[in-house]
Amino acid sequence: SQQGEEDPQALSIQEGENATMNCSYKTSINNLQWYRQNSGRGLVHLILIRSNEREKHSGRLRVTLDTSKKSSSLLITASRAADTASYFCATTSGTYKYIFGTGTRLKVLA
Amino acid sequence: KAGVTQTPRYLIKTRGQQVTLSCSPISGHRSVSWYQQTPGQGLQFLFEYFSETQRNKGNFPGRFSGRQFSNSRSEMNVSTLELGDSALYLCASSLGQLDHGYTFGSGTRLTVV
Repeated sequence: SQQGEEDPQALSIQEGENATMNCSYKTSINNLQWYRQNSGRGLVHLILIRSNEREKHSGRLRVTLDTSKKSSSLLITASRAADTASYFCATTSGTYKYIFGTGTRLKVLA
Repeated sequence: KAGVTQTPRYLIKTRGQQVTLSCSPISGHRSVSWYQQTPGQGLQFLFEYFSETQRNKGNFPGRFSGRQFSNSRSEMNVSTLELGDSALYLCASSLGQLDHGYTFGSGTRLTVV
């Protein structure tokens, strides 16, 4: 079974709005990463947050991690049409094996 | 620098045949991981190689195998293809340390008919 589960499964917003997606996982982790995938192509690494970090920023992205709740959130501020994609979280529990969540499909309407 | 290169991009095979997919990682990356992506199962981990050694393996049958060469290039092989093997196969390279993200290739779209 998948380690991570994203919520919501799909999200549709207007350009300029913020998009928030959540990831829950089941076991303790070393780190958690977020990836973006456009139209069934390869995934693009967005950000990595270590288990001892609570928040991280990269440009318009903000990631939080709550290890007590085994959850993470990805916030994309001021969304653009180009942000339309599927977003996945991925976790590792200390092995060189990342488990991906089910993904959130984000659609940003122009 | 060049990204992760996967060949071929598309492949159509018949049930029962075998297939070999290739992945060339980013120069300097010694770890290569393989994933299978399907609409129903999402991204499933196949295996990971580091310096020619398999470090981790997912829960796939023995029909799925892989290897890594001394130049870090990797191949995966699927024998006795089944219709359910139709998927996007993604290769990802990294430095091989836990705190480094993956760089993915564009994938090989395999269709089994």
